Amino acid sequence: KQEVTQIPAALSVPEGENLVLNCSFTDSAIYNLQWFRQDPGKGLTSLLLIQSSQREQTSGRLNASLDKSSGRSTLYIAASQPGDSATYLCAVRKAAGNKLTFGGGTRVLVKP
Amino acid sequence: ETGVTQTPRHLVMGMTNKKSLKCEQHLGHNAMYWYKQSAKKPLELMFVYSLEERVENNSVPSRFSPECPNSSHLFLHLHTLQPEDSALYLCASSQDYEDTQYFGPGTRLTVL
Repeated sequence: KQEVTQIPAALSVPEGENLVLNCSFTDSAIYNLQWFRQDPGKGLTSLLLIQSSQREQTSGRLNASLDKSSGRSTLYIAASQPGDSATYLCAVRKAAGNKLTFGGGTRVLVKP
Repeated sequence: ETGVTQTPRHLVMGMTNKKSLKCEQHLGHNAMYWYKQSAKKPLELMFVYSLEERVENNSVPSRFSPECPNSSHLFLHLHTLQPEDSALYLCASSQDYEDTQYFGPGTRLTVL
Protein backbone atom coordinates (compact mmCIF):
# COMPACT_ATOMS: atom_id res chain seq x y z
CA LYS A 1 0.00 0.00 0.00
CA GLN A 2 1.35 3.38 -1.04
CA GLU A 3 2.07 5.81 1.79
CA VAL A 4 2.94 9.44 1.25
CA THR A 5 4.62 11.50 3.96
CA GLN A 6 5.27 15.22 4.10
CA ILE A 7 7.72 16.64 6.60
CA PRO A 8 7.59 19.10 8.24
CA ALA A 9 3.88 19.38 8.95
CA ALA A 10 4.25 23.13 9.42
CA LEU A 11 6.83 25.71 8.43
CA SER A 12 7.22 29.42 9.15
CA VAL A 13 9.68 31.62 7.26
CA PRO A 14 10.31 35.35 6.83
CA GLU A 15 9.35 36.93 3.54
CA GLY A 16 12.02 36.59 0.86
CA GLU A 17 13.42 33.33 2.11
CA ASN A 18 13.35 30.27 -0.16
CA LEU A 19 10.96 27.46 0.79
CA VAL A 20 11.83 23.78 0.58
CA LEU A 21 8.98 21.29 1.00
CA ASN A 22 9.58 17.55 1.11
CA CYS A 23 7.44 14.63 0.03
CA SER A 24 8.35 10.96 0.30
CA PHE A 25 6.48 7.89 -0.93
CA THR A 26 6.98 4.21 -0.21
CA ASP A 27 6.20 2.62 -3.59
CA SER A 28 8.33 3.90 -6.45
CA ALA A 29 5.99 2.44 -9.10
CA ILE A 30 4.18 5.70 -9.75
CA TYR A 31 2.60 7.16 -12.87
CA ASN A 32 3.12 10.77 -11.85
CA LEU A 33 3.35 13.07 -8.85
CA GLN A 34 1.43 16.26 -8.35
CA TRP A 35 1.83 19.23 -6.01
CA PHE A 36 -1.25 21.13 -4.89
CA ARG A 37 -1.92 24.28 -2.91
CA GLN A 38 -4.87 24.55 -0.53
CA ASP A 39 -5.97 27.78 1.12
CA PRO A 40 -7.86 27.48 4.44
CA GLY A 41 -11.31 25.95 3.98
CA LYS A 42 -10.92 25.89 0.20
CA GLY A 43 -10.38 23.33 -2.52
CA LEU A 44 -7.09 22.31 -4.08
CA THR A 45 -5.27 24.11 -6.86
CA SER A 46 -2.82 22.11 -8.95
CA LEU A 47 0.65 23.67 -9.04
CA LEU A 48 2.92 21.23 -10.83
CA LEU A 49 2.64 17.73 -12.24
CA ILE A 50 5.75 15.61 -12.85
CA GLN A 51 5.52 12.49 -14.99
CA SER A 52 7.43 9.45 -13.76
CA SER A 53 9.93 9.87 -16.62
CA GLN A 54 10.73 13.47 -15.68
CA ARG A 55 13.21 14.78 -13.13
CA GLU A 56 11.73 18.22 -12.57
CA GLN A 57 9.09 20.76 -13.55
CA THR A 58 9.21 24.52 -13.25
CA SER A 59 6.55 27.21 -13.19
CA GLY A 60 7.58 30.74 -12.29
CA ARG A 61 9.04 30.75 -8.77
CA LEU A 62 8.10 27.09 -8.28
CA ASN A 63 10.34 24.15 -9.06
CA ALA A 64 9.53 20.53 -8.25
CA SER A 65 12.00 17.68 -8.50
CA LEU A 66 11.35 13.96 -8.56
CA ASP A 67 13.69 11.11 -7.59
CA LYS A 68 11.62 7.99 -8.14
CA SER A 69 14.28 5.53 -7.06
CA SER A 70 14.55 7.09 -3.62
CA GLY A 71 10.84 7.85 -3.40
CA ARG A 72 11.23 11.60 -2.96
CA SER A 73 10.00 14.85 -4.40
CA THR A 74 10.90 18.38 -3.36
CA LEU A 75 9.00 21.58 -4.04
CA TYR A 76 11.11 24.74 -4.05
CA ILE A 77 9.47 28.15 -3.84
CA ALA A 78 11.93 30.96 -4.48
CA ALA A 79 11.75 34.36 -2.77
CA SER A 80 8.66 33.55 -0.70
CA GLN A 81 5.86 36.08 -0.31
CA PRO A 82 3.05 36.36 2.29
CA GLY A 83 0.65 35.27 -0.45
CA ASP A 84 2.44 31.91 -0.55
CA SER A 85 1.01 31.11 2.89
CA ALA A 86 -1.13 27.99 2.44
CA THR A 87 -1.03 24.24 2.86
CA TYR A 88 0.94 22.38 0.21
CA LEU A 89 -0.03 18.82 -0.61
CA CYS A 90 1.73 16.25 -2.71
CA ALA A 91 -0.05 13.30 -4.26
CA VAL A 92 1.15 10.32 -6.25
CA ARG A 93 -0.83 8.42 -8.87
CA LYS A 94 -0.19 4.71 -9.10
CA ALA A 95 0.85 3.26 -12.40
CA ALA A 96 -2.38 1.43 -13.11
CA GLY A 97 -5.37 3.65 -12.71
CA ASN A 98 -6.05 7.08 -11.39
CA LYS A 99 -6.06 6.67 -7.62
CA LEU A 100 -4.29 9.65 -6.06
CA THR A 101 -2.66 9.02 -2.69
CA PHE A 102 -2.13 12.22 -0.76
CA GLY A 103 0.36 13.23 1.89
CA GLY A 104 -0.77 15.03 5.01
CA GLY A 105 0.43 18.39 3.73
CA THR A 106 2.82 21.07 4.93
CA ARG A 107 1.24 24.22 6.31
CA VAL A 108 3.37 27.22 5.33
CA LEU A 109 3.32 30.67 6.89
CA VAL A 110 5.36 33.44 5.26
CA LYS A 111 5.74 36.37 7.64
CA PRO A 112 5.94 39.91 6.20
CA GLU B 1 -11.75 30.14 -10.06
CA THR B 2 -12.17 26.53 -11.18
CA GLY B 3 -14.95 25.16 -13.34
CA VAL B 4 -16.08 22.85 -10.53
CA THR B 5 -18.77 24.14 -8.17
CA GLN B 6 -20.10 22.59 -4.99
CA THR B 7 -23.24 23.33 -2.99
CA PRO B 8 -23.83 23.95 -0.22
CA ARG B 9 -20.51 25.37 0.95
CA HIS B 10 -21.40 24.73 4.58
CA LEU B 11 -23.81 22.20 6.09
CA VAL B 12 -24.73 21.39 9.66
CA MET B 13 -26.87 18.33 10.22
CA GLY B 14 -28.07 16.07 12.98
CA MET B 15 -27.30 12.39 13.08
CA THR B 16 -30.82 11.44 11.98
CA ASN B 17 -31.05 13.89 9.07
CA LYS B 18 -30.84 13.12 5.37
CA LYS B 19 -29.05 15.61 3.17
CA SER B 20 -27.27 15.71 -0.20
CA LEU B 21 -24.12 17.37 -1.44
CA LYS B 22 -24.03 18.53 -5.04
CA CYS B 23 -21.12 18.93 -7.42
CA GLU B 24 -21.28 20.36 -10.92
CA GLN B 25 -18.46 20.66 -13.44
CA HIS B 26 -18.54 23.02 -16.41
CA LEU B 27 -15.40 21.65 -18.06
CA GLY B 28 -16.83 18.93 -20.27
CA HIS B 29 -15.01 16.26 -18.27
CA ASN B 30 -15.88 12.57 -18.20
CA ALA B 31 -14.69 11.59 -14.74
CA MET B 32 -15.75 12.88 -11.32
CA TYR B 33 -14.54 12.15 -7.79
CA TRP B 34 -15.54 12.56 -4.15
CA TYR B 35 -12.84 13.05 -1.51
CA LYS B 36 -13.02 13.42 2.27
CA GLN B 37 -10.61 15.67 4.13
CA SER B 38 -10.68 15.28 7.91
CA ALA B 39 -8.65 17.27 10.38
CA LYS B 40 -5.19 15.76 10.83
CA LYS B 41 -5.71 13.05 8.19
CA PRO B 42 -4.61 12.95 4.56
CA LEU B 43 -7.16 13.54 1.83
CA GLU B 44 -9.04 10.27 1.17
CA LEU B 45 -10.60 9.20 -2.10
CA MET B 46 -14.18 7.99 -1.58
CA PHE B 47 -15.72 7.38 -5.02
CA VAL B 48 -14.80 7.70 -8.69
CA TYR B 49 -17.20 7.86 -11.62
CA SER B 50 -16.07 7.59 -15.21
CA LEU B 51 -18.65 8.12 -17.97
CA GLU B 52 -21.33 7.94 -15.27
CA GLU B 53 -20.23 4.48 -14.15
CA ARG B 54 -18.80 3.99 -10.67
CA VAL B 55 -15.25 2.67 -11.04
CA GLU B 56 -13.96 2.96 -7.47
CA ASN B 57 -15.53 2.67 -4.06
CA ASN B 58 -12.88 2.78 -1.39
CA SER B 59 -14.58 0.93 1.48
CA VAL B 60 -16.87 3.83 2.23
CA PRO B 61 -19.71 3.16 4.74
CA SER B 62 -23.15 2.75 3.23
CA ARG B 63 -24.41 5.89 4.99
CA PHE B 64 -22.67 7.69 2.09
CA SER B 65 -24.43 7.05 -1.22
CA PRO B 66 -23.10 8.60 -4.44
CA GLU B 67 -25.14 9.33 -7.55
CA CYS B 68 -23.95 10.43 -10.98
CA PRO B 69 -26.98 11.16 -13.19
CA ASN B 70 -24.87 12.60 -16.02
CA SER B 71 -21.25 13.50 -16.69
CA SER B 72 -21.69 17.06 -15.36
CA HIS B 73 -23.31 16.31 -12.01
CA LEU B 74 -22.31 14.27 -8.99
CA PHE B 75 -24.22 13.94 -5.73
CA LEU B 76 -23.34 12.51 -2.35
CA HIS B 77 -26.42 11.48 -0.37
CA LEU B 78 -25.95 11.42 3.37
CA HIS B 79 -28.05 9.64 5.98
CA THR B 80 -27.60 8.61 9.60
CA LEU B 81 -24.15 10.16 9.80
CA GLN B 82 -21.82 10.09 12.79
CA PRO B 83 -19.97 13.05 14.35
CA GLU B 84 -16.69 11.60 13.03
CA ASP B 85 -18.04 12.15 9.50
CA SER B 86 -17.60 15.89 10.02
CA ALA B 87 -15.06 16.96 7.40
CA LEU B 88 -14.47 18.93 4.23
CA TYR B 89 -15.90 17.01 1.27
CA LEU B 90 -14.20 17.82 -1.99
CA CYS B 91 -15.37 17.08 -5.50
CA ALA B 92 -13.02 16.89 -8.47
CA SER B 93 -13.27 16.20 -12.18
CA SER B 94 -10.87 15.22 -14.94
CA GLN B 95 -11.11 14.96 -18.69
CA ASP B 96 -10.76 11.20 -18.52
CA TYR B 97 -10.01 8.70 -15.79
CA GLU B 98 -6.22 9.19 -15.77
CA ASP B 99 -6.02 12.92 -16.40
CA THR B 100 -5.24 15.84 -14.11
CA GLN B 101 -8.00 16.48 -11.60
CA TYR B 102 -9.55 19.88 -10.97
CA PHE B 103 -11.07 20.45 -7.55
CA GLY B 104 -14.11 22.31 -6.33
CA PRO B 105 -14.06 24.51 -3.21
CA GLY B 106 -15.55 21.83 -0.98
CA THR B 107 -18.49 21.50 1.40
CA ARG B 108 -17.69 21.89 5.09
CA LEU B 109 -19.93 19.34 6.85
CA THR B 110 -20.57 19.33 10.58
CA VAL B 111 -22.53 16.45 12.12
CA LEU B 112 -23.96 17.18 15.55
